[in-house]
Amino acid sequence: DAGVTQSPTHLIKTRGQQVTLRCSPKSGHDTVSWYQQALGQGPQFIFQYYEEEERQRGNFPDRFSGHQFPNYSSELNVNALLLGDSALYLCASSDPKGDSSLEQYFGPGTRLTVT
Amino acid sequence: LAKTTQPISMDSYEGQEVNITCSHNNIATNDYITWYQQFPSQGPRFIIQGYKTKVTNEVASLFIPADRKSSTLSLPRVSLSDTAVYYCLVGAWGGATNKLIFGTGTLLAVQP
Repeated sequence: DAGVTQSPTHLIKTRGQQVTLRCSPKSGHDTVSWYQQALGQGPQFIFQYYEEEERQRGNFPDRFSGHQFPNYSSELNVNALLLGDSALYLCASSDPKGDSSLEQYFGPGTRLTVT
Repeated sequence: LAKTTQPISMDSYEGQEVNITCSHNNIATNDYITWYQQFPSQGPRFIIQGYKTKVTNEVASLFIPADRKSSTLSLPRVSLSDTAVYYCLVGAWGGATNKLIFGTGTLLAVQP
């Protein structure tokens, strides 16, 4: 049973550039959430996708956008990168059919460094 | 801002039981209490979740008092490999997104 996978593992970008991160959810899961984790901090919720639509969003600017594909995989796009966007980006999948609990399964993350 | 409060760090020895308490005074009726474990450079791992009273699984127990304003994660007989950061997350999908923040967690250090 494949768990949550993310690519790439590491990424280095320059300020002002754009980046796309990818995630494949755990088998059987249809909901994908994205989190940003700065060094020494806990993860912060960016947004959640379900049925190819953004269902819930945290306090992040519009530079952060996403997409979910029919196979439930997802992308996180960040435009006009800032130095402060350097972080570990985590993808989590869940299967909350009729259940609003926060049981999620996380991928290993993508380490983004903005120089 | 995170809506939960946990100790920043705890120390223990192998074989001991460890209890980590989380305060969440503003818990809402629909909120679940969920605990995660995270090792360096890895994604968080789901440990246990509860709504009220006590929940137990193969790795931990979760104690929730009647007023649900706090919860305690209990790890029986810890080992060196339990050294990690433990996060308490309180909320529910469809609820306030400002609750979907893990806070700084509790760094548990297990010594031989």
